[in-house]
Order: sequence, then C-alpha cells, then structure tokens
Amino acid sequence: ILNVEQSPQSLHVQEGDSTNFTCSFPSSNFYALHWYRWETAKSPEALFVMTLNGDEKKKGRISATLNTKEGYSYLYIKGSQPEDSATYLCAFPPGNQFYFGTGTSLTVIP
Amino acid sequence: NAGVTQTPKFRVLKTGQSMTLLCAQDMNHEYMYWYRQDPGMGLRLIHYSVGEGTTAKGEVPDGYNVSRLKKQNFLLGLESAAPSQTSVYFCASRQGAGEAFFGQGTRLTVV
Repeated sequence: ILNVEQSPQSLHVQEGDSTNFTCSFPSSNFYALHWYRWETAKSPEALFVMTLNGDEKKKGRISATLNTKEGYSYLYIKGSQPEDSATYLCAFPPGNQFYFGTGTSLTVIP
Repeated sequence: NAGVTQTPKFRVLKTGQSMTLLCAQDMNHEYMYWYRQDPGMGLRLIHYSVGEGTTAKGEVPDGYNVSRLKKQNFLLGLESAAPSQTSVYFCASRQGAGEAFFGQGTRLTVV
C-alpha cells in the first residue's frame, strides 16, 4: 500500500479565482501519475496522464505539472467557474496496482 | 460506446446474505479494478486483475472475493454481507499506462 496524499482536502473559491492543488507520491520507482475529475453522482473521468519529470499538460483552463524527483504534482485551474466544482483525484500506479489519493473537493461560488 | 458497465446499480442486502457485482468492459483492457468509496476515505482498492484468470489483493480485500474467468468481466463477490460493507463500489479498467475508465458505480446497503 502506497501513500498518495492530496492537499488541501477541500477548497472554496469565488468564480473567476485561480486555484491549485497538490498531489504527493513516493518518488522511488515512478511509473506514471494520473489526475481525474469526479463530479457528484458521476464516475471519475481522466484529465491527465503524466509520465515524464517536468511534464506539463493543459486542457482548457486546467493544467498540471509533474516533479518525479521530489514526488509531487500540481493541478492548476485558471479563472474557476461553477462547473469546475468537483473532487479532483490523483492516482499513482506502481506497476499493476492503482492507488488514489483522497481527493481535493473544489466548490466554486458564483 | 458502452465502456465499463456495472450491474446492479443499487442493492439492499440483509446481514449474512451473499451477492455478486458484475463489471463488464468492451475495450479489451487487460487491467481491471474494484474500489469502494466511503465518506472521507476516497477510493480504496479492494482487488484487481492483470488479465484473464488472474486476481490479486488490494488494500481492503477482507470479506470480498473476485474472479476473472473472461477478459471482459470482473466479478466481485460478498459471501456473507456485513453492515461495514455498505458503500459505493466502482469498477475500473485500463490498458498499460493509459487512463482508467470507470463504471457508473453500485450503491450497496447492508442492513
């Protein structure tokens, strides 16, 4: 069992604010780091799969960076909108297993 | 495109009853996973499979059994349900280093 930690646990921001969350994972034997978006009453959906140190991925207003040497990844949301309200999960697959962090719950207040 | 389908979507069991949850994927993925979601606990891995005929324990396997007789199906069994197994169960599949695809979840209540 590996320790995948996310912070903060929850976040409330005003519409238009930019925000970011952190995912920490074991830096040894790195394979990949995934980010997922999980809306209430739905299933998690993939945002990014990151495999290389220094990787930066972007999808619209959401972007992510990866530092495999120190074991962390940041997810950024620029100009948050109410539809961004969701739980954001990171996942660390050490080989065949696939562990998730406990997530960051984001609420964007109109 | 069906993707990952879980059956059933809802179920209420009495303590001691048994049941099987079915996960079916049509993407020819090798890896399949069963998770449970509890408040404040995120997704916890119950069991997983790396291919047809293989299964392995995750972080919370006690009280559950699994089988992967066909590549497209991953079954999760509860032999004697307990109230502590009240949860939402998610199945996921993936291929190689690719993203995971999730089923819609099964809400199980054990009374």
